[in-house]
Amino acid sequence: AQRVTQPEKLLSVFKGAPVELKCNYSYSGSPELFWYVQYSRQRLQLLLRHISRESIKGFTADLNKGETSFHLKKPFAQEEDSAMYYCALQEYGNKLVFGAGTILRVKS
Amino acid sequence: EAGVAQSPRYKIIEKRQSVAFWCNPISGHATLYWYQQILGQGPKLLIQFQNNGVVDDSQLPKDRFSAERLKGVDSTLKIQPAKLEDSAVYLCASSLARTSGSVGEQFFGPGTRLTVL
Repeated sequence: AQRVTQPEKLLSVFKGAPVELKCNYSYSGSPELFWYVQYSRQRLQLLLRHISRESIKGFTADLNKGETSFHLKKPFAQEEDSAMYYCALQEYGNKLVFGAGTILRVKS
Repeated sequence: EAGVAQSPRYKIIEKRQSVAFWCNPISGHATLYWYQQILGQGPKLLIQFQNNGVVDDSQLPKDRFSAERLKGVDSTLKIQPAKLEDSAVYLCASSLARTSGSVGEQFFGPGTRLTVL
């Protein structure tokens, strides 16, 4: 079965510190991976997808097929980055399988 | 553009009662999804529609859950009868139909928080 693992429930960092939110997956095929984010009192929304190879709000994520990982990184955390982050794997038919999520808290 | 709309936002019922949720997707989005998100977990897909046809309902507990999208636009999700373990946030999402080589971004509604007592 396809599976997405986010090992940390909570990650707390100081403003300006680097951030890495971990995501590991298992998938018997060529994966399509995403990061979704939910800010306080807002809807779940797409942050970035691996096929776009883009940086959104300073965040990047590289797909490592050897380690089956898709970690989300940002060199300098900002307070507005505080949110819940979900890693998701896309299966056939656009079906998403989500990890349990990681709360990111950026302290001033 | 207007986002995905859901109602009600909150619902409290007693076990064995029935409840229904409504979703209005973004105009033009052919694909509609219902997710269940239990506290501390990520969203889990319950059912996926393409227009008014069901694409995937493999994780829908069909003995008590049902969903329909009669005209290929709005959708309702019903639970009858509810159990304590159905307490969760029910999320509706929509996307454009996936075409070859493209990845359809899913747009989520605000969710309905259900509490079963």
